Amino acid sequence: DAGVIQSPRHEVTEMGQEVTLRCKPISGHNSLFWYRQTMMRGLELLIYFNNNVPIDDSGMPEDRFSAKMPNASFSTLKIQPSEPRDSAVYFCASSLDLNTDTQYFGPGTRLTVL
Amino acid sequence: RKEVEQDPGPFNVPEGATVAFNCTYSNSASQSFFWYRQDCRKEPKLLMSVYSSGNEDGRFTAQLNRASQYISLLIRDSKLSDSATYLCVVNMLGSSNTGKLIFGQGTTLQVKP
Repeated sequence: DAGVIQSPRHEVTEMGQEVTLRCKPISGHNSLFWYRQTMMRGLELLIYFNNNVPIDDSGMPEDRFSAKMPNASFSTLKIQPSEPRDSAVYFCASSLDLNTDTQYFGPGTRLTVL
Repeated sequence: RKEVEQDPGPFNVPEGATVAFNCTYSNSASQSFFWYRQDCRKEPKLLMSVYSSGNEDGRFTAQLNRASQYISLLIRDSKLSDSATYLCVVNMLGSSNTGKLIFGQGTTLQVKP
């Protein structure tokens, strides 16, 4: 069975450019989560959706970050404009629903902003 | 104070050793508890859930102390393949934060031959 799919796996861009990260959750999962991981701050929850609706975006660092989930099988995280401090690994995870404990993580997108 | 706190380590132990990791959480409303494992440059994966009665899975034993808001993970007879970062995770089901996992910074384990 396919797990959570993320693309691209690696992204190198220059400061000021727009970056779009993509995620396909596990089929049948209704909840989707976006995380960011850095050495300094660890794993931080940015935003999560349930049935395609954003539930909590309090972890989104600033207005440069936005996320959408147009349908049950696709979500994007966009950074515009990107800054060097956005460099991190961005993980997408999905779970059956918000009352299910186990979240399954994708392989992550390693973002470097020069 | 961080919501979930762990000793970052690293813990360097020889093969066959027993090692224990501890974790404290600040929100007494927390409902569910887990240990996730993360290998270098990989995604986190669920290792085991933590129940009030304690639970064991092979060489791994997890314990929860709700009164002290403390979680532990014990690894017996450690193997080289146990080398990874272990993340303590808390979920607040039944609250307005339902579904939101809070991750600790992780404890790094290096098992040496």
